[in-house]
Amino acid sequence: AQSVSQHNHHVILSEAASLELGCNYSYGGTVNLFWYVQYPGQHLQLLLKYFSGDPLVKGIKGFEAEFIKSKFSFNLRKPSVQWSDTAEYFCAVNARGGADGLTFGKGTHLIIQP
Amino acid sequence: EPEVTQTPSHQVTQMGQEVILRCVPISNHLYFYWYRQILGQKVEFLVSFYNNEISEKSEIFDDQFSVERPDGSNFTLKIRSTKLEDSAMYFCASSSGTANQETQYFGPGTRLLVL
Repeated sequence: AQSVSQHNHHVILSEAASLELGCNYSYGGTVNLFWYVQYPGQHLQLLLKYFSGDPLVKGIKGFEAEFIKSKFSFNLRKPSVQWSDTAEYFCAVNARGGADGLTFGKGTHLIIQP
Repeated sequence: EPEVTQTPSHQVTQMGQEVILRCVPISNHLYFYWYRQILGQKVEFLVSFYNNEISEKSEIFDDQFSVERPDGSNFTLKIRSTKLEDSAMYFCASSSGTANQETQYFGPGTRLLVL
């Protein structure tokens, strides 16, 4: 069975600080990897995704993530956060080649202080 | 930009009652999903639906749950006899399902409260 682990449940940063949110997954096969964001009062939105190819993927709003296969990791990064990045961030995975349901991590609640 | 929509946004019901949550997936998408998020917990997969039948379901999706695509646009989740523990946010999602491009797009959710 798949599982996703997000190490930080709550992160508080000041504006302009750099961000890295950890995500590790457990799965025996090839996977698709996703980061979703949920801004306060809004629905889940796709930040970025990895299917194959370049392990460094860039998403919206200056976010990027790096897939490290040997570490089963897909950490999310942003060099300089803004107050508007305050949100819940979810890492998710599903099996490649199908349209399987996503397995989500527990989420990281990010608060950016102005 | 096309979006997944869900109705109602909030639903309050009595324990034992039936509820139907409605979703309109993105129009050219072929795969449809339901997820739930109990307050303070992670988003959990319930079921996926393709070609008018369930393609995958989780352990959570027991006999009290059912899904249906009654027409060309709606996708519904029915909970037959609600329990207190069914209180959660329910998200619908859809994907085009084309050749490994399985990005799922989520609706805004229905917050269900069972009293």
